[in-house]
Amino acid sequence: DQQVKQNSPSLSVQEGRISILNCDYTNSMFDYFLWYKKYPAEGPTFLISISSIKDKNEDGRFTVFLNKSAKHLSLHIVPSQPGDSAVYFCAASAIDGQNFVFGPGTRLSVLP
Amino acid sequence: NAGVTQTPKFQVLKTGQSMTLQCAQDMNHNSMYWYRQDPGMGLRLIYYSASEGTTDKGEVPNGYNVSRLNKREFSLRLESAAPSQTSVYFCASSDDSGYTFGSGTRLTVV
Repeated sequence: DQQVKQNSPSLSVQEGRISILNCDYTNSMFDYFLWYKKYPAEGPTFLISISSIKDKNEDGRFTVFLNKSAKHLSLHIVPSQPGDSAVYFCAASAIDGQNFVFGPGTRLSVLP
Repeated sequence: NAGVTQTPKFQVLKTGQSMTLQCAQDMNHNSMYWYRQDPGMGLRLIYYSASEGTTDKGEVPNGYNVSRLNKREFSLRLESAAPSQTSVYFCASSDDSGYTFGSGTRLTVV
C-alpha cells in the first residue's frame, strides 16, 4: 500500500493559470515534505520543502500548503509557464529527515 | 560541477548477465541511495547507506547488492539480470535539506 499518493497521473493547465498538484499520505509520523521536479532524461531536482511546524511555504511562483489533520499537501504554481511542464514528485519523511518515501508523480503539461 | 555522477547512462543486458552501476558524489554527504523509477510507481528505494561502511535494504532490494566503497562512492550490482529489472535507476545523496539526484541510468534487460 502506497504511503504517499498522488492520485492525478497527469494535469494540463493553460499558460498563465494556476497549477495545483496534490499529494496525500497515510503515515502520521511523516513531518517533512519535499517536492521534486523531473524533466525527461534528467534526475529529479529539488523544488520546495515544508516541515510540519508550518502550513505554508512560498518560493517565488511556487507555494506548498500542508494540512496535517487531513494528511494532505499541495503545490501551487502561479503563474504556470511552459517550462514548468515536467513530472512532479511529492516525498515525505519522518523526523530523521532521511529515507523519504516518494509518490508516483504527476505529469504537468502547461499549454501555451 | 558539484553533484551526483552516475555511469553508465544507458545499458542493455541479456538475462543472466551481471553489471555494476557506479555512483559518486562530491558534496561530502553522509547518506546515499539507489532508487528505481517505473511507470506509475514513482521512485522506489532499493538500498541506502546512511554513512560510510553501512548499507540497508529499502523497499525493493531483491536481486540487487550494494557497496559503499567510501564516502563518495555507492555502487549497485545486479548479479543475474532479469527482465523485471528493466527500469531507470537513480542514485542520490542527501544532507539535512534534501536529496541531490544523479541523471539516471536507463537499463534494459532482454
